[in-house]
Amino acid sequence: QVQLQQWGAGLLKPSETLSLTCAVYSGSFSSFCWGWIRQPPGKGLEWIGEVNHGGSTNYNPSLKSRVTISVDTSRNQFSLKLTSVTAADTAVYYCARVSVAATFYMDVWGLGTTVTVSS
Amino acid sequence: SYELTQPPSVSVSPGQTARITCSGDALPKKYAYWYQQKSGQAPVLVIYEDSKRPSGIPERFSGSSSGTMATLTISGAQVEDEADYYCYSTDSSGNHRVFGGGTDLTVL
Repeated sequence: QVQLQQWGAGLLKPSETLSLTCAVYSGSFSSFCWGWIRQPPGKGLEWIGEVNHGGSTNYNPSLKSRVTISVDTSRNQFSLKLTSVTAADTAVYYCARVSVAATFYMDVWGLGTTVTVSS
Repeated sequence: SYELTQPPSVSVSPGQTARITCSGDALPKKYAYWYQQKSGQAPVLVIYEDSKRPSGIPERFSGSSSGTMATLTISGAQVEDEADYYCYSTDSSGNHRVFGGGTDLTVL
């Protein structure tokens, strides 16, 4: 059964860069895309973007100017970088496996990492 | 930008049928998916491609879609089904993924 383990800095100051990594265990890495979703405190889910094993990406237009999602196939890992963070970026960030079907959708999720932006 | 619209809350008594709707202009052409999120936990996929149920999801969970509205139905809702439920789909181009605002299901 595939498992996703994620990690990264949990406390940032405004203007810093958020950096998270997600490792994939016990499953095919190349047959899927890999994505990130976030959830501000008390609010709903927001899709951030996704990457395939070849490194091609697709981002939420509202975040595109600040987001980079990359993949390391040698380690079965993928990463999220979000630049120039503000308090509005405070959220739980989830990594997820993205199944490639008629619609790309997230079928396995990591446990989430809480990221707080505060001066 | 594309939006999916859900009711903020739904409340039913145990054993009753809960229905949660999701409306979106692209749903006639794009599949709807449903996620269950219990307090403090990561979301779990409960319905994919409008009406298919992943392994391990109880049979009381079902989905349907007609026109611009998709519906998640929980037949004989149980207290353990209390959670936030999110619909998910893509815009008409298929490139941009969107979640609905979420529905808080209360079973009591």
